[in-house]
Amino acid sequence: DAGVIQSPRHEVTEMGQEVTLRCKPISGHNSLFWYRQTMMRGLELLIYFNNNVPIDDSGMPEDRFSAKMPNASFSTLKIQPSEPRDSAVYFCASRMTSVYTDTQYFGPGTRLTVL
Amino acid sequence: AQSVAQPEDQVNVAEGNPLTVKCTYSVSGNPYLFWYVQYPNRGLQFLLKYITGDNLVKGSYGFEAEFNKSQTSFHLKKPSALVSDSALYFCAVGTGANNLFFGTGTRLTVIP
Repeated sequence: DAGVIQSPRHEVTEMGQEVTLRCKPISGHNSLFWYRQTMMRGLELLIYFNNNVPIDDSGMPEDRFSAKMPNASFSTLKIQPSEPRDSAVYFCASRMTSVYTDTQYFGPGTRLTVL
Repeated sequence: AQSVAQPEDQVNVAEGNPLTVKCTYSVSGNPYLFWYVQYPNRGLQFLLKYITGDNLVKGSYGFEAEFNKSQTSFHLKKPSALVSDSALYFCAVGTGANNLFFGTGTRLTVIP
């Protein structure tokens, strides 16, 4: 049973470039979450979707960040243009239902380095 | 507003000794509490959760946690630590919104 799949696992880019992170949730899960982890700020929720619909994007740092979920099996997080302060590990998580007591399952993360 | 605190950034324990990783929370309603573990270069792995019922919750790898409403705590425990338990541990709380609030993490080091 495949867990949450994220790609790429590592991304190194230069400031100003567009970065796209990808996530495939666990099959059958209908909630998806994007988190960012840094030493300074810990784990932060950026945005989450229920049934492919964005519910709360208040954690998205600024307009340079955008997220989409075109279908139940795929989501992207895009940063355009990227900046060095965006360097972090980005996690995607999915949950079977929209019930908040259900467990979120995390992907392995994408380590982003912006030079 | 809801929040969760992990007062110890680092916990060291000798192999074979009992371990405790502390977590306290602050919520306006009934809390739903989770523990996750993160190994180096890996995502967070679910350990256990408290929703309702027995205050003592048993989870993966021999871990357990006790919900204490009066002390607003949800400490993670294990009777006998293994070197392989060394990792970063996160406590999280939810209260009916669709997201979780995570603590800052506690790094557990089990010394052989």
